[in-house]
Amino acid sequence: EAGVAQSPRYKIIEKRQSVAFWCNPISGHATLYWYQQILGQGPKLLIQFQNNGVVDDSQLPKDRFSAERLKGVDSTLKIQPAKLEDSAVYLCASSLVGGSYVQTQYFGPGTRLLVL
Amino acid sequence: TQLLEQSPQFLSIQEGENLTVYCNSSSVFSSLQWYRQEPGEGPVLLVTVVTGGEVKKLKRLTFQFGDARKDSSLHITAAQPGDTGLYLCAGEEGNKLVFGAGTILRVKS
Repeated sequence: EAGVAQSPRYKIIEKRQSVAFWCNPISGHATLYWYQQILGQGPKLLIQFQNNGVVDDSQLPKDRFSAERLKGVDSTLKIQPAKLEDSAVYLCASSLVGGSYVQTQYFGPGTRLLVL
Repeated sequence: TQLLEQSPQFLSIQEGENLTVYCNSSSVFSSLQWYRQEPGEGPVLLVTVVTGGEVKKLKRLTFQFGDARKDSSLHITAAQPGDTGLYLCAGEEGNKLVFGAGTILRVKS
């Protein structure tokens, strides 16, 4: 079974530029998560989708971050404009279903973003 | 958002030694998960503990959930270089996970 795919694996940009990350979840997984992992910290949930609807985006900085999951499969996360403090690993995860309790989440390898 | 504190932050030991890492909170979690993350990869789930006082074993790894479901520990017996990585605990809050900052473990051969 193929795992969660993410691209690009690495990205270096200058502050105020825009960047987009792509995630393809495990086939059949209804729930998709985007996490931000800053060096020395654990992953922080940015947004959770159930199919193509947003379940939780309470920690997404909506003035600069946006995410979509068209057709309930692939997802993109965009930052516009980027700030130095956005330097982090962006992890995508998926699970079979979401709902009222936590399902096993399968993580992709992440995209490492460096903002100069 | 509930906070999870992990200790120690960093641990460097020799192959064959035993170790314990801790995950503590002042709040109660309905379940707690342990992950291992290797450099350049995403976290991989090791175990989920649900019941207070629960003990689970995974080969040389023993996980315990505190009676009050506020804390957990991970004990590794006879550590091997392949155990090297970042160990993360994550508590279930509502329908999402809250992660601790992790313990970096390095096992030297």
